[in-house]
Amino acid sequence: DGGITQSPKYLFRKEGQNVTLSCEQNLNHDAMYWYRQDPGQGLRLIYYSQIVNDFQKGDIAEGYSVSREKKESFPLTVTSAQKNPTAFYLCASSLGRSGTGSQPQHFGDGTRLSIL
Amino acid sequence: AQKITQTQPGMFVQEKEAVTLDCTYDTSDPSYGLFWYKQPSSGEMIFLIYQGSYDQQNATEGRYSLNFQKARKSANLVISASQLGDSAMYFCAMSRGIFGANSKLTFGKGITLSVRP
Repeated sequence: DGGITQSPKYLFRKEGQNVTLSCEQNLNHDAMYWYRQDPGQGLRLIYYSQIVNDFQKGDIAEGYSVSREKKESFPLTVTSAQKNPTAFYLCASSLGRSGTGSQPQHFGDGTRLSIL
Repeated sequence: AQKITQTQPGMFVQEKEAVTLDCTYDTSDPSYGLFWYKQPSSGEMIFLIYQGSYDQQNATEGRYSLNFQKARKSANLVISASQLGDSAMYFCAMSRGIFGANSKLTFGKGITLSVRP
């Protein structure tokens, strides 16, 4: 079955530590996205990528970094510069430039990040 | 800038009845897409329905329909014949444009729906 796989499901970060969240998709989608969700809130866009080797900052990129070396993979690193990283992180993908019309984003099951 | 507003407090509905979840939006773009997603307590986001700004007919997908009133900038979700499994958070979202390269989404804060047996 095609889909988006996020790992790990739960992640704990120590002070001053960088951690990387994995996101892999086998939907052959061009576009991938990272969102942050705080309790009782909607999703806020961290970074997005429309094509391999290219990505753009979203609304809350500070303290985060990404890479897009392969079409299938879009890992997110939460750096020590992100002072309030505790949140639920969701990765998504869509057809992007290769599609037209409605472009629903398909989501992974998320990673819950907490501070130790 | 785009903005999505969902202001209803927690909603309750009796099983098998219909419920409407409100969504208003603000944008200066002539073309945009409107989406509804469902988020159960497990956390995954499930796509429900889509409406393009140029679509003449209201979108329908099974028990879900979108009441699109362009002049009022509203895109309310109607769930008919509610089921216990419909209990979840529901998010309204908007994309800039209706083509693939503009599929970045802006989300509202969501509405909690509880279905009573």
